[in-house]
Order: sequence, then C-alpha cells, then structure tokens
Amino acid sequence: EPEVTQTPSHQVTQMGQEVILRCVPISNHLYFYWYRQILGQKVEFLVSFYNNEISEKSEIFDDQFSVERPDGSNFTLKIRSTKLEDSAMYFCASSVRRFNEQFFGPGTRLTVL
Amino acid sequence: AQSVTQPDIHITVSEGASLELRCNYSYGATPYLFWYVQSPGQGLQLLLKYFSGDTLVQGIKGFEAEFKRSQSSFNLRKPSVHWSDAAEYFCAVGPSETSGSRLTFGEGTQLTVNP
Repeated sequence: EPEVTQTPSHQVTQMGQEVILRCVPISNHLYFYWYRQILGQKVEFLVSFYNNEISEKSEIFDDQFSVERPDGSNFTLKIRSTKLEDSAMYFCASSVRRFNEQFFGPGTRLTVL
Repeated sequence: AQSVTQPDIHITVSEGASLELRCNYSYGATPYLFWYVQSPGQGLQLLLKYFSGDTLVQGIKGFEAEFKRSQSSFNLRKPSVHWSDAAEYFCAVGPSETSGSRLTFGEGTQLTVNP
C-alpha cells in the first residue's frame, strides 16, 4: 500500500542553523501539507501546496519557513534560522484532491539546541 | 472558525472492554470529520472518515464512529478493545470551502489498555 515517507526521522540542530525536512508524498496525490506537533500540544497546520505554489498557510508559517517541490517526487520544508521553539514533530501529508482525506507520514522529530 | 474538543485527555480500559472516545466539533456547515490514531513513534494513521450520508461509519481495526449533528459530536467506538489499541487518538475536522484545506485537530486522547 502506498504511503507517505519522511526523512530524516530525527534531526538535531543548533539554534540559528537552517534545516530541510524531506517528504515523498503518495505518487498520484496532488495536494501536499505540513503540520507540526509540539510535545504535549495539538497537531497544527502549517501550509498546503498545490500546483507548485502555496495554496494556504497558517499564522505559524512565517518568513522563516518555506516549502518546495524540487522534483517530481520530493516535497521539502525549510526552516531558515531555527529557534528553540521550532522543536517539534513535523508531519508531511498528501491527498488526491483538496477535500479528500489526508494521509500522513511518520514524522520528523526536530530538536533545536 | 472550526474547532475540535476531545474532553478526555486519558482513558484506561481493560482488554476486552468496550471503548468510546468523545469528540465535539464547532463548525458552520456539514463537516468533514476524521479519526486518526498515533502509536508511539509512529505517524498519524487514518482510522475512519465522515463526509456525508450514513451517520454511522466503519473504519479499520474494528472501529466505528457516529456523527450526531444535534450534539455536534463524532464519537469513536470499539466493542472490544485489544492491547494493541493502546495509542493516542485524534479527532479532526475539515477541510472545507470556508476553512480551506487545513485539518483542525483536537487535543488527543491517550488510551491505556490494561491486561
């Protein structure tokens, strides 16, 4: 059964460093998403992406964040200069169409020291 | 704005007992509703979804959920819990024309299963 994959599973970085989190969505899906879950808190929406552009973003998704689909399979989330409060589990998701169910990857745990 | 409340942070049941996890939502129209499960170290796995039609929906792993518009609820049930069901369960609402493509999640309910 096709699934969303994410790499790495765990990333440790120093405050102020740039990180890139990678995702491979399900191959026939057209909509891609990033969510995050700070330890002990709700899963929060960050951004959705369709047709090579951002279709929606939350207030969390500020100028420090960017997304890209660099090729036909990968979908990346870049955090330009990490802060301590960026430590969280980051989930990638994809869906066939905009209002279909979203399928999630296993997540990348980001730890900012 | 849409929102989801899961009133129970932690529930403990014995193996073989029945289970009901509560979910209440706030939404302006007919919602799309979901239940996801997260096992330790795992991602979010979709258990079931409600888009329209029959208000009792069946999911994977023997779970079902009932949409009750009058109560703004979408409670998850299982008649007999297995030890492997121990996990965190999230209710979510969305997406829609008004809220966009985002899913809005509840706080989650941690399920412990006693032998």
